[in-house]
Amino acid sequence: QQQVKQSPQSLIVQKGGISIINCAYENTAFDYFPWYQQFPGKGPALLIAIRPDVSEKKEGRFTISFNKSAKQFSLHIMDSQPGDSATYFCAASMSTGNQFYFGTGTSLTVIP
Amino acid sequence: GAVVSQHPSWVICKSGTSVKIECRSLDFQATTMFWYRQFPKQSLMLMATSNEGSKATYEQGVEKDKFLINHASLTLSTLTVTSAHPEDSSFYICSAPGTGGSPLHFGNGTRLTVT
Repeated sequence: QQQVKQSPQSLIVQKGGISIINCAYENTAFDYFPWYQQFPGKGPALLIAIRPDVSEKKEGRFTISFNKSAKQFSLHIMDSQPGDSATYFCAASMSTGNQFYFGTGTSLTVIP
Repeated sequence: GAVVSQHPSWVICKSGTSVKIECRSLDFQATTMFWYRQFPKQSLMLMATSNEGSKATYEQGVEKDKFLINHASLTLSTLTVTSAHPEDSSFYICSAPGTGGSPLHFGNGTRLTVT
């Protein structure tokens, strides 16, 4: 059973546009929600993360929106650039354990 | 920041041989490390959890005799693909949780090609 559901599977955005990737989870015990960015042939790298005590976190052009009641969180990439083209994974974990549950990934292509 | 080093970044081997992949936490201690397998354009598939000082925990469907894991120290875990076959060709990635369990730091992966 997929613990974290991610959509869309792929996304094409014009340069300067907003990229939005959505994730949903079921386990209310999750209390840490990171997003990872992966370029081809490389391991995933932590992009931004949020905990349930806040509804939004912004770092530069990247923003996580978190809806605790709906058990959903999303990544927004403002002013998307071709260099943002990568695969993005959302994840969820519990601070009481080490296990991370990953979404299925979103392949983002930003066209010039 | 915390860094996980994985080596080699790519390896080509012949069928029937064994390949060892190393994963090191460079500036922190990791009692736990995770090994993933990733097929092209797919998500990360957790293979096993490597535990320092005890046996690794394998996910369902992963052959523990095929994929040998050894957590030799608080900074080193190794994955050995034994008697490799072409179907073992894949991208293998290790990771280790940072202080307090988060965040998860990934190595740069190893591209294994078995001919």
